Amino acid sequence: DARVTQTPRHKVTEMGQEVTMRCQPILGHNTVFWYRQTMMQGLELLAYFRNRAPLDDSGMPKDRFSAEMPDATLATLKIQPSEPRDSAVYFCASGAGGPLSYEQYFGPGTRLTVT
Amino acid sequence: GQQLNQSPQSMFIQEGEDVSMNCTSSSIFNTWLWYKQDPGEGPVLLIALYKAGELTSNGRLTAQFGITRKDSFLNISASIPSDVGIYFCAGQPRPLLNTGNQFYFGTGTSLTVIP
Repeated sequence: DARVTQTPRHKVTEMGQEVTMRCQPILGHNTVFWYRQTMMQGLELLAYFRNRAPLDDSGMPKDRFSAEMPDATLATLKIQPSEPRDSAVYFCASGAGGPLSYEQYFGPGTRLTVT
Repeated sequence: GQQLNQSPQSMFIQEGEDVSMNCTSSSIFNTWLWYKQDPGEGPVLLIALYKAGELTSNGRLTAQFGITRKDSFLNISASIPSDVGIYFCAGQPRPLLNTGNQFYFGTGTSLTVIP
């Protein structure tokens, strides 16, 4: 069945290193979302794309985070340089968009630990 | 950002009991979604609601879109051990032109079912 895939599932890195997380949305979906989940803040929207164009990335720390969609089958979230406070689970979700379809389908997440 | 208040924060119930949880917002929403998250996994969509007053069921789960459009409710009947997890509500305010399907998430209700 169709699923959102994310890689890697787990990442441990040292402070200051670059981290790249990848997401493959469900084929045919035209909206992609990046979320961060922590115990303290819950699920926070970082950025989202529609038809590969960024619509809102106001939830993202601009100085170190960047999100892109090089093509319709790949979304990336990059952190450079990483900091310990970036430790969290990062989820990608995709949706079919449109006026009658607002459901978002989540990937399994990337658990990031920055030491 | 938008705040969704979800209650209760946690519930401990006996197997077979019914469960009720709710989500409220300070502003009007056009769409409500309910998700369940198992440990180490991404949230999974349970029910989507699109109209005020709408009542939708998915097996033992029933959700309602509040008449005021500022709240939503989820009920689980005859709980079983596999209902354990964290339940999230998500709401979408009226979408602006070309802004996609941005949702705001509640803080979650942790459900424990005691066999």
